[in-house]
Amino acid sequence: DTEVTQTPKHLVMGMTNKKSLKCEQHMGHRAMYWYKQKAKKPPELMFVYSYEKLSINESVPSRFSPECPNSSLLNLHLHALQPEDSALYLCASSQDGENTEAFFGQGTRLTVV
Amino acid sequence: AQSVTQLGSHVSVSEGALVLLRCNYSSSVPPYLFWYVQYPNQGLQLLLKYTSAATLVKGINGFEAEFKKSETSFHLTKPSAHMSDAAEYFCAVTLYSSASKIIFGSGTRLSIRP
Repeated sequence: DTEVTQTPKHLVMGMTNKKSLKCEQHMGHRAMYWYKQKAKKPPELMFVYSYEKLSINESVPSRFSPECPNSSLLNLHLHALQPEDSALYLCASSQDGENTEAFFGQGTRLTVV
Repeated sequence: AQSVTQLGSHVSVSEGALVLLRCNYSSSVPPYLFWYVQYPNQGLQLLLKYTSAATLVKGINGFEAEFKKSETSFHLTKPSAHMSDAAEYFCAVTLYSSASKIIFGSGTRLSIRP
């Protein structure tokens, strides 16, 4: 199994809503990532979890809250988002370590209204 | 700091023609380089990675890339373009300290003319 599964595929939420994005992998990878991708732009790193601990936070606003309940799961909790937060949110995982490629999920298309 | 620069935000070639997508890296230490492809409304798929075992790296779908230290380049090529190759291509570099940090170039959109 070389898949990273993200749910939901599409999400529309209001600015006062609270929602969560979910990501799951069963490849035994110990690093998991959240990226944000705007249209016609490269993915931008948001968070990295290494061995279930948050190791990198790229100065992401607190309205985005990551959580890693176990080595296979990664969540991104969303609260009080702005319309400019609308984007494709990509989850990825890797073995962690030098020269290890990341495997990406299909993404969640988020629209904030 | 390590980074990658992709030259050309859009490349258009005819079906059957050579594909050349350019990527240059800046690094003071040996880099770990990757090429990813993204089809519309999809996630990213790894095409190939540089492992330092060989300067010419072969990937999936007939793509290959050559690591040239003297030119700090890692250009992606394919001898004969196919319509299904139309997609966005990203060059990426991995930084590693406490965890792997994968940084992407700005991307090149490849269009294929019939």
